[in-house]
Amino acid sequence: GAGVSQSPRYKVAKRGQDVALRCDPISGHVSLFWYQQALGQGPEFLTYFQNEAQLDKSGLPSDRFFAERPEGSVSTLKIQRTQQEDSAVYLCASSLDTSRKTQYFGPGTRLLVL
Amino acid sequence: EDQVTQSPEALRLQEGESSSLNCSYTVSGLRGLFWYRQDPGKGPEFLFTLYSAGEEKEKERLKATLTKKESFLHITAPKPEDSATYLCAVEGDGNQFYFGTGTSLTVIP
Repeated sequence: GAGVSQSPRYKVAKRGQDVALRCDPISGHVSLFWYQQALGQGPEFLTYFQNEAQLDKSGLPSDRFFAERPEGSVSTLKIQRTQQEDSAVYLCASSLDTSRKTQYFGPGTRLLVL
Repeated sequence: EDQVTQSPEALRLQEGESSSLNCSYTVSGLRGLFWYRQDPGKGPEFLFTLYSAGEEKEKERLKATLTKKESFLHITAPKPEDSATYLCAVEGDGNQFYFGTGTSLTVIP
């Protein structure tokens, strides 16, 4: 079946612009995670949804970052007033249950802020 | 402080030359240690989860082991298609979840 998909795959934004990154998880997956991966680094946790509830947003780096999953399926990560340090790959992962035991990752969205 | 350290940062092997990757961790109440493979331009692909010291898991040429302080990913007789970045991650009892920075493996034919 289809895996996790993310769009757009690449996004170039001018500093100060708002961006929205989309994640389509595997159908029926309860948990959805967002991560930020800087070049040469491992992914860093941003936020976690269980169905439509955002249960953990402790990794969001600032109040410019906002995530939602209103119907418990598709999720959007929004970054307001982008800054150069926001340049990274944003990864989405979904899991069938409430654990991270097997997370399926999408291909990521590469964001470049100029 | 919770942390995950992987070594070496990069490893070049000849095809067939076995080796091991290391993941050292400090976390409060380990709930699971995860190994992933990441190819360029792609998201991490799940390989293994280990839960307790002494546990081992195998998949083709890969074997993961776990002690109370570290995990090893053993690669036996690697092939060029094993070239990738291998990431280790740990989950603690407070739901904290940390990735290491990865080991970039290159297998030369």
